Parts: sequence; C-alpha cells; structure tokens
Amino acid sequence: QQQVKQSPQSLIVQKGGIPIINCAYENTAFDYFPWYQQFPGKGPALLIAIRPDVSEKKEGRFTISFNKSAKQFSLHIMDSQPGDSATYFCAASDRGGSEKLVFGKGTKLTVNP
Amino acid sequence: DTAVSQTPKYLVTQMGNDKSIKCEQNLGHDTMYWYKQDSKKFLKIMFSYNNKELIINETVPNRFSPKSPDKAHLNLHINSLELGDSAVYFCASSQDRLSPDTQYFGPGTRLTVL
Repeated sequence: QQQVKQSPQSLIVQKGGIPIINCAYENTAFDYFPWYQQFPGKGPALLIAIRPDVSEKKEGRFTISFNKSAKQFSLHIMDSQPGDSATYFCAASDRGGSEKLVFGKGTKLTVNP
Repeated sequence: DTAVSQTPKYLVTQMGNDKSIKCEQNLGHDTMYWYKQDSKKFLKIMFSYNNKELIINETVPNRFSPKSPDKAHLNLHINSLELGDSAVYFCASSQDRLSPDTQYFGPGTRLTVL
C-alpha cells in the first residue's frame, strides 16, 4: 500500500521555468510533510518541510503548497536552474505514531540550460 | 566533518557471500535507520534503531541482520547474498524516534551482487 503518491515520475523544464511536483496522501494522521532532494551519487537531504496548519511555506526559490482538505501538497521551484536537477521525494510522517517517514516514489527533475 | 558516514561506498560480490556495511553518525542522534533504494530510486525503510534498541523491522528477509553496538553506530550484515539484493543502501539518523521527519542520510553504499 503506497501511502504517499507522487507525480510526475520525471519532469524536464527549461532554465527559469517553474517545475511543480505533486503529492497526495491517504493517512489523516500524518502531521509533517518534508521534501528531500537527492543529487546523483549522494544521499537524500532535507530541503523544506511544512505542517498541515499552514497552507504555504517558502524558503528561497522553493515553495510548498498544502491543501489539507484535498490531502495534497506540492513543491514549486521558482526560476529553476540547471543545478536544481535532482530527484525530489515528498514524504509524510506521523510524529509520535508510526515513527517512520513514508516516502513518495520520487520525481527526477532535469533543468536544461 | 561528515555527519553520517558509511563504508564501503561500493561493494561488489558474488551470490551466496556474506557482507557487512558500516554506518556511523557524529550528530549525537538517538535514532538510526537503514534504507534500500532500488534501481527505480524508490526508498524503502528496512530497520530503525533507537538507542541500540530495534524499533522498526519492515518485513526484511532474516538474511539481513542489523547490529547497533552503540547509538552512534548501526551496521548491516547480509548473509547469503542474492541478485535481488543489488541496490544502494542508505544509513540515516534523526534526533529521536519521534522526529523521523528530519533525517540525515549517509552517502550510500552501492551493492552489486554478481
């Protein structure tokens, strides 16, 4: 059972474009939603995270939009750069509950120069 | 200073062999994890330990045996390696068992079983 569904599987944009990665979850007990960024040959690294009591969080060029009623959240990358080319994972956790992070299947983003 | 380190980075071995991967974190965290990332990049949790105590075992074959000598180290031993074990294995840590959302990952160990 996949608890966090992520789309698209891959995404190609031109430099300066705004790629959007979408995730949907089923478990209403989830209460923290981080995004991880993974460059080739490296481990994933925490990029940005949001709690369900806010609808948007911005850090630099990265923005998370959160829709609690629809159980969906998305990552937007403003003014994307070739250096943003990586695999992005959305995730969800139930703090104090299952004690693990549930990952989406990942989106491979390519930003062309 | 590397926060989470793994050795070796690459491991190539024959089917049926036994191998170990070591992981160390210098962040002072209580909880450590092992993940398997397959060729499609899917991250699957295998185990987690909190202060040397096993807290998550995600129906992993018993050929995989984690060992935590202290809270800064979590090693993974694999017996009778199979072709399907080929993957990248990541170690990670978090401050405590109630903070699984903020994890620090190691650089990974690419295991190839021939």
